[in-house]
Amino acid sequence: QVHLAQSGAEVKKPGASMKVSCKVSDYTLSEIALHWVRQAPGKGLEWMGGFDPEEGETIYSQKFQGRVTMTEDSSTDTAYMEISSLRSEDSAVYYCATVGTGYYFDDWGQGTLVTVSS
Amino acid sequence: DIQMTQSPSSLSASVGDRVTITCQASQDITNYLNWYQQKPGKAPKLLIYDTSTLETGVPSRFSGSGSGTDFTFTISGLQPEDVATYYCQEYSTFGQGTKLEIK
Repeated sequence: QVHLAQSGAEVKKPGASMKVSCKVSDYTLSEIALHWVRQAPGKGLEWMGGFDPEEGETIYSQKFQGRVTMTEDSSTDTAYMEISSLRSEDSAVYYCATVGTGYYFDDWGQGTLVTVSS
Repeated sequence: DIQMTQSPSSLSASVGDRVTITCQASQDITNYLNWYQQKPGKAPKLLIYDTSTLETGVPSRFSGSGSGTDFTFTISGLQPEDVATYYCQEYSTFGQGTKLEIK
């Protein structure tokens, strides 16, 4: 089991950028594939993107293409997800999760609440 | 993009009941269908992957079946701790969720 520890809650103003971190323990980033999923208050789960082992690159949901950047720091086994040009609709809990061979999300971080408000 | 239609959106059942949730894909996804349980304030938890394989540690009252475009998730003998929202998922797409309550 992979342990994922995410950064704390954030409050941001519309138009700002936001970066959430996801620290991996018990494995290294090179051994896993990490993805990001978000959940707006009272709503369902929404896949944002992540590293696709078959493609060998990070893929993004079309909805977030150009506004979201997912990066990894192998020296600290920490993954990052940055969103620019925040709007109120980006208020959500953001989760990192590992992807199993069948593209299922088997281990999850605890979630990071991001509130976008003026 | 593949669309996942999950139903019902909510349901109420009694302890001990058999509960069924369905998920329909807009195109053939073979057996790449997964099910999650999410309790309030918690991260989702993988219950079943590849249609019918139970994740380690998940009680055997949970089961899944189906293939192609039509899939079913079943709880055989509902327990109070099963109150949660359940989601189906095929890679980049989640179903809308089913909120399960106890009568």
